[in-house]
Amino acid sequence: LAKTTQPISMDSYEGQEVNITCSHNNIATNDYITWYQQFPSQGPRFIIQGYKTKVTNEVASLFIPADRKSSTLSLPRVSLSDTAVYYCLLGGFKTIFGAGTRLFVKA
Amino acid sequence: DSGVTQTPKHLITATGQRVTLRCSPRSGDLSVYWYQQSLDQGLQFLIQYYNGEERAKGNILERFSAQQFPDLHSELNLSSLELGDSALYFCASSVVGGGQGQETQYFGPGTRLLVL
Repeated sequence: LAKTTQPISMDSYEGQEVNITCSHNNIATNDYITWYQQFPSQGPRFIIQGYKTKVTNEVASLFIPADRKSSTLSLPRVSLSDTAVYYCLLGGFKTIFGAGTRLFVKA
Repeated sequence: DSGVTQTPKHLITATGQRVTLRCSPRSGDLSVYWYQQSLDQGLQFLIQYYNGEERAKGNILERFSAQQFPDLHSELNLSSLELGDSALYFCASSVVGGGQGQETQYFGPGTRLLVL
């Protein structure tokens, strides 16, 4: 099973752009890259998904280089409410949620 | 609101007991996943069902079992409960669940289990 590696934690300030990078060297050809957000005591929430190049929605952008061995979630102008754990996942069976990245946004 | 419902929201029981957690997937979703999340831990995948059949198994203990019924709701049965089973149990659903790389899971609010 392809594994992902993310930073354990990140700190930021309100209004800044935050980029969280996920490494997935053994990504399979048919794997999409999906990012989830989880607040304490709540279920994870889908943020964005992509296969290659760049995907943007109203919440975030996802950058995927040509070799697809990594991806970067970009959160523009974060606010205090963006403090959460962010998970990077690859598609397929036996979905593996790693430890995620704990983002702490400060005022 | 993800459209996935889980009952009960909270459950307090004693060691050695058995409990059943229930999940109703989003309308139209055929696949149900169960996860366990202990305090300050990551999500541990337990098991997945697709249209009534077991599709994938993760780190699920033998004391735990699950099933998906014809109406697609699912139940997770936890027996001979131990203190260490105290955790949040999440259910998620997806449209297909066939292992395609594009799966997106929608999570329920979870059931918080406390074993005393």
